Amino acid sequence: GESVGLHLPTLSVQEGDNSIINCAYSNSASDYFIWYKQESGKGPQFIIDIRSNMDKRQGQRVTVLLNKTVKHLSLQIAATQPGDSAVYFCAVGSGGSNYKLTFGKGTLLTVNP
Amino acid sequence: NAGVMQNPRHLVRRRGQEARLRCSPMKGHSHVYWYRQLPEEGLKFMVYLQKENIIDESGMPKERFSAEFPKEGPSILRIQQVVRGDSAAYFCASSPGVGTGGYEQYFGPGTRLTVT
Repeated sequence: GESVGLHLPTLSVQEGDNSIINCAYSNSASDYFIWYKQESGKGPQFIIDIRSNMDKRQGQRVTVLLNKTVKHLSLQIAATQPGDSAVYFCAVGSGGSNYKLTFGKGTLLTVNP
Repeated sequence: NAGVMQNPRHLVRRRGQEARLRCSPMKGHSHVYWYRQLPEEGLKFMVYLQKENIIDESGMPKERFSAEFPKEGPSILRIQQVVRGDSAAYFCASSPGVGTGGYEQYFGPGTRLTVT
């Protein structure tokens, strides 16, 4: 089965800096990847997704990069704000239609004012 | 458009009791997923349901756990004879469908189950 790991359990940045959160996955056949943000006491909130036919996808202040060669996924947050403080999870879809999400353990991002 | 709704938000049960967790998907969504999250861990897939059908229950413990998504009403995750190890946050997600590319799953706020 799929396994998903994060490189760092915690990340602390200054407000206004860029943040990079990294994730590694095990199954080279995986083709759907998602980043979620989870604030304390809440459910995961979708940030951005990417399919394996792309290397990069941009959203509002966020960019996801996919390196299939080394099975690595990253989330970049530009101009990090205090409201970005949360736990960030990468998830990989499997199960034929990619409905079964395998989550990593999460990176706690703390933004210092 | 209301999001995914779960209730109760917090549930306390004594060992041996039954826990019933309810999930109402987003309007227009007919696919429901349940996940469990232990402290300091990521979410673990439990089951995927469509109306009146269990599609994939590969993540469900073999005993005491069951799930349903009836034609009318919310999806229910039922845990019989709860034990302390069942204490966790249980999240429900819904999507409008599935496809080879994957579909975004929208998560509810979760039910935090505490077994005493």
